[in-house]
Amino acid sequence: DAGVIQSPRHEVTEMGQEVTLRCKPISGHNSLFWYRQTMMRGLELLIYFNNNVPIDDSGMPEDRFSAKMPNASFSTLKIQPSEPRDSAVYFCASSLGGVNTEAFFGQGTRLTVV
Amino acid sequence: AQSVAQPEDQVNVAEGNPLTVKCTYSVSGNPYLFWYVQYPNRGLQFLLKYITGDNLVKGSYGFEAEFNKSQTSFHLKKPSALVSDSALYFCAVRDSGTYKYIFGTGTRLKVLA
Repeated sequence: DAGVIQSPRHEVTEMGQEVTLRCKPISGHNSLFWYRQTMMRGLELLIYFNNNVPIDDSGMPEDRFSAKMPNASFSTLKIQPSEPRDSAVYFCASSLGGVNTEAFFGQGTRLTVV
Repeated sequence: AQSVAQPEDQVNVAEGNPLTVKCTYSVSGNPYLFWYVQYPNRGLQFLLKYITGDNLVKGSYGFEAEFNKSQTSFHLKKPSALVSDSALYFCAVRDSGTYKYIFGTGTRLKVLA
């Protein structure tokens, strides 16, 4: 398996523009997580899906952020409009459903908003 | 609420010496504990986990972790450090109610040649 695939790897955009980050989880995994990593805040959970359904979006910073999982093999995280403080590395991770299973992370998308 | 704490921002160790990266946890119910490593410009990679059973868990790259219920700790260890072990290490607990992974703040390990 190719692992969790995220695209793009790097994104530079201007403030106010819409940004869409993409994730393909590992086949057969039914849990998907979006995390954000910054020096100041460390690793933050943004949203968590189980069987394509959003279970917990309490970590989504504000209404500018939205996430979807239209099917078991694809998820998007959208920021509209983007702001400089959104600059971070965004990770997608997937896991099997059992509580004793580990998550597998993608390579991340480094977002820079100028 | 479930949580983990990594009390050290950075750990320095000489190559060939044993290393320990500390983690303590707070959970209600059974603990499901994990260690991950992050190399520069990469995602987190799973090293090992404790679910139940033996308190000493062996994982990838020669790492092991010791689960101590009385001290609520899950320290990561390696008998002989390599320069290539230099990275950022995260301890995590999986919440048995929400199934979320809750990560610590990370510990930067530097192995000096």
